[in-house]
Amino acid sequence: GQQLNQSPQSMFIQEGEDVSMNCTSSSIFNTWLWYKQDPGEGPVLLIALYKAGELTSNGRLTAQFGITRKDSFLNISASIPSDVGIYFCAGPGSNYQLIWGAGTKLIIKP
Amino acid sequence: DAGITQSPRHKVTETGTPVTLRCHQTENHRYMYWYRQDPGHGLRLIHYSYGVKDTDKGEVSDGYSVSRSKTEDFLLTLESATSSQTSVYFCAISERGHNYGYTFGSGTRLTVV
Repeated sequence: GQQLNQSPQSMFIQEGEDVSMNCTSSSIFNTWLWYKQDPGEGPVLLIALYKAGELTSNGRLTAQFGITRKDSFLNISASIPSDVGIYFCAGPGSNYQLIWGAGTKLIIKP
Repeated sequence: DAGITQSPRHKVTETGTPVTLRCHQTENHRYMYWYRQDPGHGLRLIHYSYGVKDTDKGEVSDGYSVSRSKTEDFLLTLESATSSQTSVYFCAISERGHNYGYTFGSGTRLTVV
């Protein structure tokens, strides 16, 4: 079945650093969704992408829909402490279901 | 405020007892979903609804049933809770369907002892 592979699994970041993560699939997706989950809360939609090659920003976050339609990237510029959390990519599968990546956990370096 | 609330937020129950979790929305969205989230498994769809009285199974529906008698309420029932159903349960809503993303509730942490 369809699967999404997210990497890296976790990242240690220092405040002010830029962050990059990606999501790949063996099959084509027509939509890519990026979510962030804070501890004890549900995931929150950050960015939705609907067209191959599309680049969309939401504040310091920028996401791209890969040209092959099999990948997507999320970048965070000048990270701040509240960026910590788990970032998920997702794409529509069959039967109303979303396929989810396993998440990238952002952790602040002490 | 996203207009979606889950109740209860926390529950501890005994093995074999029935449990019902409630999801209530004030957004009048057509689509509603129940997910469970477990370490190592991520988010997995249990059941979803595409309208009043219209529901279908997701990836991990065994041991769960749902009902949607009104647009605003989507109930998840564990007929006879088992320890494997200890999890965090999230409800989500969507106006136009899964292609356009969901809004999630804050979750219900269920512990079956």
